[in-house]
Amino acid sequence: NAGVTQTPKFQVLKTGQSMTLQCAQDMNHNSMYWYRQDPGMGLRLIYYSASEGTTDKGEVPNGYNVSRLNKREFSLRLESAAPSQTSVYFCASSILGGWSTGELFFGEGSRLTVL
Amino acid sequence: AQSVAQPEDQVNVAEGNPLTVKCTYSVSGNPYLFWYVQYPNRGLQFLLKYITGDNLVKGSYGFEAEFNKSQTSFHLKKPSALVSDSALYFCAVRAGGNTDKLIFGTGTRLQVFP
Repeated sequence: NAGVTQTPKFQVLKTGQSMTLQCAQDMNHNSMYWYRQDPGMGLRLIYYSASEGTTDKGEVPNGYNVSRLNKREFSLRLESAAPSQTSVYFCASSILGGWSTGELFFGEGSRLTVL
Repeated sequence: AQSVAQPEDQVNVAEGNPLTVKCTYSVSGNPYLFWYVQYPNRGLQFLLKYITGDNLVKGSYGFEAEFNKSQTSFHLKKPSALVSDSALYFCAVRAGGNTDKLIFGTGTRLQVFP
């Protein structure tokens, strides 16, 4: 009963370093999303993938890239980390399609600190 | 553009009292509205949603929400608060298009005191 799994849970980077956040879902969902959560700002959408093979920008895509590796996996990459990218990152998925309830299922989050 | 607003950063309530967490929305077309809860160091969990139909929506853990079209509000309510309800609550609206992507409010921290 894993649902949405994110790795790593915690990461500390130095400015300019790169890293990839991994996300996998085992619910056979079509759509996947990356959000960031910052105090007082709620959750903001970085990128999403409506279906396998497609990706689109959300509200705050600058400084990030994504890859929808297959139906299960959706990764988020920071090519050159900046202190402004210190945040908690959440991956989510949804069914989308005829059986869609509109509900998003979230992972436990990845806490990233950029020094 | 779709948006939601949560006017209160924090709501304090005594255990056993009714609670309300406020949310107002701005959408073009029919709104798809959601409430999520986040416990410390956890991901968001779905509570309830309004798509169409009855204006009073019932959800998980005894929560309900009232959709009010004239006031463009979707307030979260519970008749009797528990200390374990203390958490961060987010209102969200479906952004539209060909995805389920949601636009979230800034969140309201609910503190229930014994």
